[in-house]
Amino acid sequence: GAGVSQSPSNKVTEKGKDVELRCDPISGHTALYWYRQSLGQGLEFLIYFQGNSAPDKSGLPSDRFSAERTGGSVSTLTIQRTQQEDSAVYLCASSILPPGAGYNEQFFGPGTRLTVL
Amino acid sequence: DAKTTQPNSMESNEEEPVHLPCNHSTISGTDYIHWYRQLPSQGPEYVIHGLTSNVNNRMASLAIAEDRKSSTLILHRATLRDAAVYYCILRDVNSGGSNYKLTFGKGTLLTVNP
Repeated sequence: GAGVSQSPSNKVTEKGKDVELRCDPISGHTALYWYRQSLGQGLEFLIYFQGNSAPDKSGLPSDRFSAERTGGSVSTLTIQRTQQEDSAVYLCASSILPPGAGYNEQFFGPGTRLTVL
Repeated sequence: DAKTTQPNSMESNEEEPVHLPCNHSTISGTDYIHWYRQLPSQGPEYVIHGLTSNVNNRMASLAIAEDRKSSTLILHRATLRDAAVYYCILRDVNSGGSNYKLTFGKGTLLTVNP
């Protein structure tokens, strides 16, 4: 079946511009996550959506970052007034959360490589 | 989540076994041990997970020390396609906490020589 898809695969923008990154999770997955990976670094958690619950935004680095998830499916990560330090690969993942279980495999998309000039 | 320690890099030859170590001396009784790997230019992919007992699946085996303070991911016959960064991650199974987050360190870069 189809995996997690992200678009665009690459985005080059100028400092100060806004960008929108899109994530299509696996159909039926109720949980959706955004991470970012700077060059040579591990993944950094950004935000988590689960069903209709309020999202966990604790990983967003500044108020320039926001995300929404419409209809419990597609998610958009928006970065306003981009800065050069925002350059990174932005990864989306989705998962099914079995009730009461700790096992929670996350399926990752290929990522969007953002370059801010 | 408790911290893990992995070597920065390891090297192996094709078709030989590979043992990737992970230390997690501060692991709690409710922490699952997860392994993910990230192939070049791709998002991470799940490899295996376990709690106390050793685990096997089609990709790898996970050997967990009796005191759970360390674990080893075993690739029985490395192939060139196994060249990747391997991440060892702990995640608490308790509900109500932020147990959905995966905290990735820098992992181990595995190089497989032909």
